[in-house]
Amino acid sequence: EAQVTQNPRYLITVTGKKLTVTCSQNMNHEYMSWYRQDPGLGLRQIYYSMNVEVTDKGDVPEGYKVSRKEKRNFPLILESPSPNQTSLYFCASSSSGRISDTQYFGPGTRLTVL
Amino acid sequence: DAKTTQPTSMDCAEGRAANLPCNHSTISGNEYVYWYRQIHSQGPQYIIHGLKNNETNEMASLIITEDRKSSTLILPHATLRDTAVYYCIVRPKNYGGSQGNLIFGKGTKLSVKP
Repeated sequence: EAQVTQNPRYLITVTGKKLTVTCSQNMNHEYMSWYRQDPGLGLRQIYYSMNVEVTDKGDVPEGYKVSRKEKRNFPLILESPSPNQTSLYFCASSSSGRISDTQYFGPGTRLTVL
Repeated sequence: DAKTTQPTSMDCAEGRAANLPCNHSTISGNEYVYWYRQIHSQGPQYIIHGLKNNETNEMASLIITEDRKSSTLILPHATLRDTAVYYCIVRPKNYGGSQGNLIFGKGTKLSVKP
């Protein structure tokens, strides 16, 4: 089954404790991205990756890092989480270069930073 | 900023057609209209997209006005499982880099009632 998976689905942590949210897709997609969703603000893009070893900032990259060492994986790293990073996070992937491209989203990770 | 305007909420009776409007008066010639939906706290789900012609798939129909300044998503026979927030998004044709960012506005909360 074609899918995007994220882990963990729920995480409660404390300020300053480094964490990683994993994202994996099995569709051989080149393009992957991370979004956060907050009430009243919709989805906002954090980082995206056009392909292996190619990443770039989205609209709200501060406080986050990403890496793309393999095509299927695109982890989101919070080096020193803060309470304002409490949010619902979605990973998405799509093949690139096609007009009919659509993004497939993971199930979401609900992060709480105390 | 989202380039679309949608009603905040709508109700629809089960089994009836749900017609969800969207205004995108500043859409440019190279931008597609995409529709996604999000069932509470799940990842957004792609529904349909179009450029200027009407489109239909197994989920829905998309009617785009001749001047492309507005569109309507039609769910022909709404079910209770169609209760979700529906997002209308305009997106550049040349998908790449940050142009691939899906800018989600606040969407329309559709409630399908028995």
